[in-house]
Amino acid sequence: RKEVEQDPGPFNVPEGATVAFNCTYSNSASQSFFWYRQDCRKEPKLLMSVYSSGNEDGRFTAQLNRASQYISLLIRDSKLSDSATYLCAVKSSGGYQKVTFGTGTKLQVIP
Amino acid sequence: SAVISQKPSRDICQRGTSLTIQCQVDSQVTMMFWYRQQPGQSLTLIATANQGSEATYESGFVIDKFPISRPNLTFSTLTVSNMSPEDSSIYLCSVVVPDRDPYEQYFGPGTRLTVT
Repeated sequence: RKEVEQDPGPFNVPEGATVAFNCTYSNSASQSFFWYRQDCRKEPKLLMSVYSSGNEDGRFTAQLNRASQYISLLIRDSKLSDSATYLCAVKSSGGYQKVTFGTGTKLQVIP
Repeated sequence: SAVISQKPSRDICQRGTSLTIQCQVDSQVTMMFWYRQQPGQSLTLIATANQGSEATYESGFVIDKFPISRPNLTFSTLTVSNMSPEDSSIYLCSVVVPDRDPYEQYFGPGTRLTVT
């Protein structure tokens, strides 16, 4: 089983739609969780960290479910500019701060 | 955040040759990483570049193939040695912003390598 798994998509959604991505992780001792956005032929950029209580940043909401070992990202009122690949990332516990990335979920928002 | 630059941005190399990629950060950082991203794949960690000591390599990556230097807290190089077409990939430098809670990781723009 992969350490971090995501549905690769693509998710094709109309403008204004709400879309949700899930990401599962295998290491129950994982401590920190993140969502990154990667535009075509660009580097990944941190979108948001995921806190245990869930967190929201504008149209984006991230949630963590430790019992089921998954994190989610919800995008409301999708914009054309949201089209990108969304990578989830999980940091292992302990002193060695290794982050493992999922393969990414591709989102295409269509007019 | 940290501003990261990489050189070269892209290169086309012949098999059997070596390429050194440079990573420069605009502030001192403790942790620097080198990743590889092959077409359609996610990021794979090659190694952690440690200042003043040898890099820590992930399973499947060895120092002879990917020697790394980290002479100070703002600079690192990754060399891809004796290249083969399988080494064609994007190589990304990454840093962690120190003393930031939670942990925040930033990436350079990447070096797109094609081996013919």
